[in-house]
Amino acid sequence: QSVLTQPPSVSGAPGQRVTISCTGSSSDIGAGYYVHWYQQLPGTAPKLLIYANTYRPSGVPDRFSGSTSGTSASLAITGLQAEDEADYYCQSYDNSLGRVFGGGTKLTVL
Amino acid sequence: QVQLVESGGGLVKPGGSLRLSCAASGFTFSDYYMSWVRQAPGKGLEWLSYISGSGDSISSGDSVRGRFTISRDNAKNSLYLQMNSLRAEDTAVYYCTRDSIPYFDSWGQGTLVTVSS
Repeated sequence: QSVLTQPPSVSGAPGQRVTISCTGSSSDIGAGYYVHWYQQLPGTAPKLLIYANTYRPSGVPDRFSGSTSGTSASLAITGLQAEDEADYYCQSYDNSLGRVFGGGTKLTVL
Repeated sequence: QVQLVESGGGLVKPGGSLRLSCAASGFTFSDYYMSWVRQAPGKGLEWLSYISGSGDSISSGDSVRGRFTISRDNAKNSLYLQMNSLRAEDTAVYYCTRDSIPYFDSWGQGTLVTVSS
């Protein structure tokens, strides 16, 4: 299983707000390492969505935001749109394992 | 714009070897760390290995250390992954990524490696 724990799935109706959690430990997120988020649309490669906990790369809408607290992180998506339907992965660094990912969360737009 | 194009995937028998390549363009290749990340069918992402811009710093994950070797040729703007002693569980799409330490800011389209007899 993955070092970082994410819910397998979340869902929401268009226009709603959803959050995806990413739970780590004292050797990764809790040690102060940044959390990054990736979006993987069906059949495509992952794309960087949020880096260094809260920053959005150029071109990513401000409907996407990231936050951290203790040993966990969250990705929030507001004003949910049909095109947001995708898999979302968190990523951080672990003292022993190096770069680590969450297991991924499938977002369904109802 | 940044472009990463992987090649070299295919079908290989257990115990066999394969070499993946990644052609990079749109940025100064030697300025960046690069990493390989893979995704088994229907599964999540797994970081495999990184290499520094000069090639003098390399790190690999436990699952591939000793079997897979990352390398680069800055003159050819190319990244490589030599995979030996392949196992069925190595079946995955392999992505070349630009590594902005410690996140992956650009990804290739991936190349599929299937290990099966």
